[in-house]
Amino acid sequence: ETGVTQTPRHLVMGMTNKKSLKCEQHLGHNAMYWYKQSAKKPLELMFVYNFKEQTENNSVPSRFSPECPNSSHLFLHLHTLQPEDSALYLCASSHRPELNTGELFFGEGSRLTVL
Amino acid sequence: GDSVTQMEGPVTLSEEAFLTINCTYTATGYPSLFWYVQYPGEGLQLLLKATKADDKGSNKGFEATYRKETTSFHLEKGSVQVSDSAVYFCALTPAEAGNMLTFGGGTRLMVKP
Repeated sequence: ETGVTQTPRHLVMGMTNKKSLKCEQHLGHNAMYWYKQSAKKPLELMFVYNFKEQTENNSVPSRFSPECPNSSHLFLHLHTLQPEDSALYLCASSHRPELNTGELFFGEGSRLTVL
Repeated sequence: GDSVTQMEGPVTLSEEAFLTINCTYTATGYPSLFWYVQYPGEGLQLLLKATKADDKGSNKGFEATYRKETTSFHLEKGSVQVSDSAVYFCALTPAEAGNMLTFGGGTRLMVKP
């Protein structure tokens, strides 16, 4: 079982659809993260959760709605997206962020295409 | 704000060639510096790190030295292999920033047999 698992790996949706991305970590970590990876752009941090509490929202549009029911699971709910939201969405986890080790463990990503 | 700049790729090398991927940063104070690697079809994974000036991070034959005077953290390897083909990301996190990593744009390395 891999450390951080993301599903689905690929998702195609229309602008009026509602879908969700799921992330699960089996590493016993306390913190989970969503990053957006677009072509030709650096990775963008979207959200951070520490012990299920959101500690960072990096000015993400409300059409992206995160949910963290426990320290092992993280969701990204998507609705009324735009074509420019097409990207690879990466989930990561880490030990307590306050340790500031900088060591994040990433999943393989969910490739989202918005038509 | 903080930023990381990497050389644009792709970098194409023959097997056993010497590799350098440049990385410079802008940050206040004394950030920690990292190199992450993303192999095809996989997530990013930490390759090496350095937490203070003049520290050298190393792993799997790769090295990078934290140069405060030039605000750089260049990645080097003396002899690359085909299996090193991947995308390499330089990143930083300020002190006490709680793992808030700022990434560079990534550099794709292609190694030919």
